[in-house]
Amino acid sequence: NAGVTQTPKFQVLKTGQSMTLQCAQDMNHEYMSWYRQDPGMGLRLIHYSVGAGITDQGEVPNGYNVSRSTTEDFPLRLLSAAPSQTSVYFCASSRGPIYEQYFGPGTRLTVT
Amino acid sequence: TQLLEQSPQFLSIQEGENLTVYCNSSSVFSSLQWYRQEPGEGPVLLVTVVTGGEVKKLKRLTFQFGDARKDSSLHITAAQPGDTGLYLCAGAGAGGTSYGKLTFGQGTILTVHP
Repeated sequence: NAGVTQTPKFQVLKTGQSMTLQCAQDMNHEYMSWYRQDPGMGLRLIHYSVGAGITDQGEVPNGYNVSRSTTEDFPLRLLSAAPSQTSVYFCASSRGPIYEQYFGPGTRLTVT
Repeated sequence: TQLLEQSPQFLSIQEGENLTVYCNSSSVFSSLQWYRQEPGEGPVLLVTVVTGGEVKKLKRLTFQFGDARKDSSLHITAAQPGDTGLYLCAGAGAGGTSYGKLTFGQGTILTVHP
């Protein structure tokens, strides 16, 4: 099992560019989520999904879109990158929010 | 919006000392998880507590969930340099608009000096 995979590992964008962060899991988990991690702020929930075709907003959803067309994949789209979106992004999957979250290795994004 | 206040934010201690990390909220959580994160990696689960008043032990680590399920603590006995890392608490929403959401505390950076 590969667990949770994320690509790319590093990315530099210019302000206004768009991109998609990829996340995939092979554990047949229904629950998937995206977090951003900034110094001194822990992990903040961006969007989450409780199953294919179902997504909902987390704590900091503005500037991000998600979709869940399959159980395995949960991509995160940055519509128009801003310097405030410079962060480390983690994708996680689990059986549900009360269960162990399995995190990917993260994507370090810099917006200049 | 549910908030989890984690304290202290930084902890620097000598090997062999004891320490406690706290997570507090005004919200009720259906469960409380503790994670440890190494630099450059994603968090890894240490323990999940579900029942109010629950105490779980993992070797030298003791985790407690408050009776009202609004707070939790992590106590490490005789800390070792290998305990160095970022410790995060995370609460799962108990219902209503919080259901399905996991809220993380700000994290505690622990450094244990030999």
